[in-house]
Amino acid sequence: KQEVTQIPAALSVPEGENLVLNCSFTDSAIYNLQWFRQDPGKGLTSLLLIQSSQREQTSGRLNASLDKSSGRSTLYIAASQPGDSATYLCAPTTDSWGKFQFGAGTQVVVTP
Amino acid sequence: DTGVSQDPRHKITKRGQNVTFRCDPISEHNRLYWYRQTLGQGPEFLTYFQNEAQLEKSRLLSDRFSAERPKGSFSTLEIQRTEQGDSAMYLCASSLAIAGIPDTQYFGPGTRLTVL
Repeated sequence: KQEVTQIPAALSVPEGENLVLNCSFTDSAIYNLQWFRQDPGKGLTSLLLIQSSQREQTSGRLNASLDKSSGRSTLYIAASQPGDSATYLCAPTTDSWGKFQFGAGTQVVVTP
Repeated sequence: DTGVSQDPRHKITKRGQNVTFRCDPISEHNRLYWYRQTLGQGPEFLTYFQNEAQLEKSRLLSDRFSAERPKGSFSTLEIQRTEQGDSAMYLCASSLAIAGIPDTQYFGPGTRLTVL
């Protein structure tokens, strides 16, 4: 069974700092990995999807890298803003049907 | 395209009652997923559909839970004889799979269930 770990569990940074969020997974035979953000009491918002053949994916201030062989993905958020405060979840899938196994997330607070 | 919608957004019920939730996926998405999330945890997979076919059910889904997706459009999740342990956020997601390759999943806002 896929086990997903996200470190750190919580992170507080001043506005403008870069954020580095780590995700590790035990089964490297993944189809893809998706990063999400979740605001309190809300659903999940998709940030980036990385296919297993890709090494990284970028969208605006967000960059996600994938090292399948070592079972790691990292989400970088450049020049953080208070609006980036949320819980960030990573979810790899080892299932062609797309079933995700989620980590517990990293709770991020960006202070003005 | 208005995204994935779920109804109701909140449900409070008494132990032993039945509840039903609805999910409307993004139109033309052929895959639909149900997840459950408790406080401080990531979502846990419950079940998914390829069009109208239910392909897998998690062991978390006891006999009190049933899900349907008639005609491959909206989906319902019913919980019979609710228990306090069923209190959670129930999330629905949909995706478009082409040639069997999983793609981005889009989540709805969730239904928050509280069982008293």
